[in-house]
Amino acid sequence: DAGITQSPRHKVTETGTPVTLRCHQTENHRYMYWYRQDPGHGLRLIHYSYGVKDTDKGEVSDGYSVSRSKTEDFLLTLESATSSQTSVYFCAISLGQGFTGELFFGEGSRLTVL
Amino acid sequence: AQKITQTQPGMFVQEKEAVTLDCTYDTSDQSYGLFWYKQPSSGEMIFLIYQGSYDEQNATEGRYSLNFQKARKSANLVISASQLGDSAMYFCAMRGGSQGNLIFGKGTKLSVKP
Repeated sequence: DAGITQSPRHKVTETGTPVTLRCHQTENHRYMYWYRQDPGHGLRLIHYSYGVKDTDKGEVSDGYSVSRSKTEDFLLTLESATSSQTSVYFCAISLGQGFTGELFFGEGSRLTVL
Repeated sequence: AQKITQTQPGMFVQEKEAVTLDCTYDTSDQSYGLFWYKQPSSGEMIFLIYQGSYDEQNATEGRYSLNFQKARKSANLVISASQLGDSAMYFCAMRGGSQGNLIFGKGTKLSVKP
């Protein structure tokens, strides 16, 4: 089974503070993703990475930045958190090649911005 | 642009009966993959089943089958012999495009009644 951990799992912060969520994988998968989940919206892609230092924007990237300095770690940063960024954040890795591989998800990080 | 539509926000099914969850998609890609995920109340995302756009046979995984109708651009999930543990949110998703990112529908909440 793919090893993927997210930290922190829960965080409460105040508007305007920076927040970094970490996604760590143990199996050197090339593709990693950050999604957010909100009621009525399903999961929406924030950013993704296709290799070390190779990242790109997803559907809802405004207000977020990412970094991937090592294969195993993909960081999501909210430079100045807003209440609209209260959400559950999921990291995922791609288990296969091209379109045949499913995404394996971490357990999620619940972020509350007051 | 790619799009996934799930028109059933919520559904009820009697235990031991079969249920179909609807999913339609829109894409201009020739190659793509269709996925279904289950999200129980505990929050994790669980991969259920995959269908490739070139697969001629409908995918099956245990009690799950995917009714793939390419011309109609539909990929409905059929759960046979529903169990109480099937109560969850179900998300239809599609991979395609140049980077093969996974996009999700908004989900269907399935409730299984004893």
